Amino acid sequence: AQKITQTQPGMFVQEKEAVTLDCTYDTSDQSYGLFWYKQPSSGEMIFLIYQGSYDEQNATEGRYSLNFQKARKSANLVISASQLGDSAMYFCAPEVNAGGTSYGKLTFGQGTILTVHP
Amino acid sequence: DAGVIQSPRHEVTEMGQEVTLRCKPISGHDYLFWYRQTMMRGLELLIYFNNNVPIDDSGMPEDRFSAKMPNASFSTLKIQPSEPRDSAVYFCASTQGGSNYGYTFGSGTRLTVV
Repeated sequence: AQKITQTQPGMFVQEKEAVTLDCTYDTSDQSYGLFWYKQPSSGEMIFLIYQGSYDEQNATEGRYSLNFQKARKSANLVISASQLGDSAMYFCAPEVNAGGTSYGKLTFGQGTILTVHP
Repeated sequence: DAGVIQSPRHEVTEMGQEVTLRCKPISGHDYLFWYRQTMMRGLELLIYFNNNVPIDDSGMPEDRFSAKMPNASFSTLKIQPSEPRDSAVYFCASTQGGSNYGYTFGSGTRLTVV
């Protein structure tokens, strides 16, 4: 079974600074995807960024980027220039390929609560 | 597109009653997922469908839970009979070909069983 570890239950960052949220996972799959989601206090799940295991470059999406280290099974999310609206719960979610199909299912870590201070 | 639509947003029911949660995926998405979120267990996958066919229901907690997808635009998750420990937020999500598009989640249904 997938094991996802987000070691930081809570993180604090000053507005406009960068922050890194850690995620490690355990998979025997050679081909997989990694997702990060944001869940603000309102409860919705917002897709932030995706990294394919065979992508040679780290994914970037606006202020979000992934520090992907396949050998270490690590996919840390970096948020640059933090904003007050970034305060939320952040989930790392590897996608497990099932039976050779292209798409599998997401397994979520326990999440990291990020608080951005003014 | 209106996104993934779930109904109701909130449901309060008495223990032993039947509860039906509904989901309309994004048009053209061929995968549909039901997740449950609780403080104790986090986000858990209950079941997912591909082209309306259940692929993996290993996360369904017990026989009281059932899910159907009669067509590409509608799915239900039913709990009968409901118990207080079923209280949670239930999310529906869908996706199409190309995982880098992300899995789109609905707003969730907050279920309270008293």
